[in-house]
Amino acid sequence: DQQVKQNSPSLSVQEGRISILNCDYTNSMFDYFLWYKKYPAEGPTFLISISSIKDKNEDGRFTVFLNKSAKHLSLHIVPSQPGDSAVYFCAASDGRYGNKLVFGAGTILRVKS
Amino acid sequence: DAGVIQSPRHEVTEMGQEVTLRCKPISGHNSLFWYRQTMMRGLELLIYFNNNVPIDDSGMPEDRFSAKMPNASFSTLKIQPSEPRDSAVYFCASSITGGLQPQHFGDGTRLSIL
Repeated sequence: DQQVKQNSPSLSVQEGRISILNCDYTNSMFDYFLWYKKYPAEGPTFLISISSIKDKNEDGRFTVFLNKSAKHLSLHIVPSQPGDSAVYFCAASDGRYGNKLVFGAGTILRVKS
Repeated sequence: DAGVIQSPRHEVTEMGQEVTLRCKPISGHNSLFWYRQTMMRGLELLIYFNNNVPIDDSGMPEDRFSAKMPNASFSTLKIQPSEPRDSAVYFCASSITGGLQPQHFGDGTRLSIL
């Protein structure tokens, strides 16, 4: 039972345009959501997070949107840069279990120059 | 500041051998997590510790897998005996417990069992 789903295995975007990565979840107890970026041969790197009490969080070129009624979140990268090419993982946490995270399968983002 | 340090980065061994993966969490972090990444199953949590105590080991696949955290700065994941299907990348992560704290990952150990 996949509680966190990233339905797009890959996404290709032109440099300078917006990248939108999507994530859906099924567990209504999730209250903290995170995005991680992963380069080959490296560990996932924390990118941005959002609490369930918010619907938007912004950090530079990265913005995460949360729609609790739809159980959906998205990551917007504007403008996209070639260095953003990586695998992006969505993750969610149920605060009852401390910092335990459930990860999606990941989306490969390719930014073309 | 040093991040999460894992060793070895690569391990190739023959089926049946004992494998020990090591992890040093970020100083001051009191939660530690072991993950396994495979093409089929993605990134899955194996076990996590809080203040050196195992809290949830429901992700440990079999009794061949064991994990310890003898102190706040060191943890091991052991596979004995190893099998080819254990081949994967194993990640260790640490975080501060409580509040909305992200996990920070090491660069992983790529394990190949021949």
